[in-house]
Amino acid sequence: EVQLLESGGGLLQPGESLRLSCAASGFTFSSSAMNWVRQAPGKGLEWVSFISGSDGSTYYADSVKGRFTISRDNSKKTLYLQMNSLRAEDTAVYYCAKATPAKMDVWGQGTTVTVSS
Amino acid sequence: EIVLTQSPGTLSLSPGEGATLSCRASQSVSSIYLAWYQQKPGQAPRLLIYGASSRATGIPDRFSGSGSGTDFTLTISRLEPEDFAVYYCQQYGSSPPRYTFGQGTKLEIK
Repeated sequence: EVQLLESGGGLLQPGESLRLSCAASGFTFSSSAMNWVRQAPGKGLEWVSFISGSDGSTYYADSVKGRFTISRDNSKKTLYLQMNSLRAEDTAVYYCAKATPAKMDVWGQGTTVTVSS
Repeated sequence: EIVLTQSPGTLSLSPGEGATLSCRASQSVSSIYLAWYQQKPGQAPRLLIYGASSRATGIPDRFSGSGSGTDFTLTISRLEPEDFAVYYCQQYGSSPPRYTFGQGTKLEIK
């Protein structure tokens, strides 16, 4: 079964750091591009970051550039999102998704990050 | 940066009726890179349509997508109770690579 499972969410204070993980199974992770997408409470979907499967190229939304880092460990079939200098506006459910330019066809169940003082 | 505007914000219909959801882009979008997703409360989004008109695996044929350029439409021909949800359009732009979502259309039971 094709599956993505996020973990690592939690409650943090502004300025703190957190690393999210996304464990993949049921497909060839090493050749698959991946996205992180987030959803603030009661709001719509916002793309956060992309990492290619071929050369590891990475891209970020302007709202997280310089603070967040996407990475992957193909040997562990795991995607990561290192989040530094967290702000209240980063509060959201974070989803990982298997991606192509045309679509995001597999999504995890999400992990919740709350940033509050 | 391309902005996607979905309309209406909320659509109130009854089971058995047809639904038409609109997604308008601020500039022309390649149809290859236009997708639609369904999201139910407490669940992750689910891919419905990609390439503007291709149904994803397992999606019933009452869901169809159409459009080109700046105007795209998701049509649900006969609403089932499980179709009431929020629907998002999404496009991919390559320079620089980024994904953009519309703000969503909530389809609610009338």
